[in-house]
Amino acid sequence: SSELTQDPAVSVALGQTVRITCQGDTLRNYYATWYQQKPGQAPILVIYAKNNRPSGIPDRFSGSNSGNTASLTITGAQAEDEADYYCNSRDSSGTHVVFGGGTKLTVL
Amino acid sequence: QVQLQESGPGLVKPSGTLSLTCAASGGSISTSNWWTWVRQPPGKGLEWIGEIYHGGSTNYNSSLKSRVGISLDKSKNEFSLNLNSVTAADTAVYYCARSTSFYDSTNYYYYMDVWGKGTTVTVSS
Repeated sequence: SSELTQDPAVSVALGQTVRITCQGDTLRNYYATWYQQKPGQAPILVIYAKNNRPSGIPDRFSGSNSGNTASLTITGAQAEDEADYYCNSRDSSGTHVVFGGGTKLTVL
Repeated sequence: QVQLQESGPGLVKPSGTLSLTCAASGGSISTSNWWTWVRQPPGKGLEWIGEIYHGGSTNYNSSLKSRVGISLDKSKNEFSLNLNSVTAADTAVYYCARSTSFYDSTNYYYYMDVWGKGTTVTVSS
């Protein structure tokens, strides 16, 4: 079983704001990282190291951590944001890596 | 910017060994990064398999540790995955990735910033 817990599915109306959460004790020490994966494609990094976005990731994506919960917020969701989103970090031992189960985001 | 490309057989027989290679281009694997393997069974989420540091240290998923090995070939600028005694449950898309792990005096960070496109491996007779 995963040490990071995500809601399986979330939906948002086009142009509205959506928050995707990730819970796990390891997040008290590690900032969560977020990946976006579209069907048939490899995951891509969208948020890392607190609230950093790689080049090419729109600024409507932001991240935050509080206690054992991390959040990925999309402000003004677009149709192209429809995808699976995974959180990730090292586990409490620091020597293994864990993924959340993934959240399927639907943009209505 | 480094790019990664997985290669290897797409079909492996049950009880056989799955062997994949990840070739890096546009950059060296002799950097302060972890070189990582991740897999995704059909219709399921991402599963971390293991990693190797540029210095040769390895970490493996506890559920796979008895069957998995990851190695680094700096002369070829590539790293490899071996998974033995495979079953149908090992059927998945396998990804290689570059990972960074660091501490900034207040928090720890870990992320995979470069991914290969993935290669599908089916375990079947």
